[in-house]
Amino acid sequence: GQQLNQSPQSMFIQEGEDVSMNCTSSSIFNTWLWYKQDPGEGPVLLIALYKAGELTSNGRLTAQFGITRKDSFLNISASIPSDVGIYFCAGQPGNQFYFGTGTSLTVIP
Amino acid sequence: EAGVAQSPRYKIIEKRQSVAFWCNPISGHATLYWYQQILGQGPKLLIQFQNNGVVDDSQLPKDRFSAERLKGVDSTLKIQPAKLEDSAVYLCASRGQGLGNYGYTFGSGTRLTVV
Repeated sequence: GQQLNQSPQSMFIQEGEDVSMNCTSSSIFNTWLWYKQDPGEGPVLLIALYKAGELTSNGRLTAQFGITRKDSFLNISASIPSDVGIYFCAGQPGNQFYFGTGTSLTVIP
Repeated sequence: EAGVAQSPRYKIIEKRQSVAFWCNPISGHATLYWYQQILGQGPKLLIQFQNNGVVDDSQLPKDRFSAERLKGVDSTLKIQPAKLEDSAVYLCASRGQGLGNYGYTFGSGTRLTVV
């Protein structure tokens, strides 16, 4: 299957700091999604991106669909304790979505 | 709107035993997926249904895994016999039709431990 590389693998930040993470693939994708997963729960969709260059915000979250269509970025501004969790990117080159390995975020109050 | 329902939440079985998981998608969602999420990894697609037909089962280990969605609504995933490496969270997701409905809605998953 497709390989999606997410980085960083984990982050430890102070409350109030901004966060950036990214996802890269070896193939061109038509759609990028960003999910957050809390312990013991399924992933929850945060942002969906449908075309190259697209920049979309959802509250303090902003995501971008890379121009090359092989990458995507997620930024979280002014982090708060409830931002803790694992963030997954998912990309769709064809009929199905492939998920990245996740970025684990810890916010220190 | 009710979410995707899955049961049981947890299951512990011995290797070589059988196990079944159940999923009830969001009402009206034609597309249903089963994913396997091993600890520390992202979800991996096992099978995709469109109504009661299989769209993609290329990554389903068919020698031991089976899934059905007989009436195009709820679905069951079965493992027979289970192996230690099947220990994972099994996630069900569904998706609606139409533009903008690219995102899946996931259930809370069934955590399987094979001992």
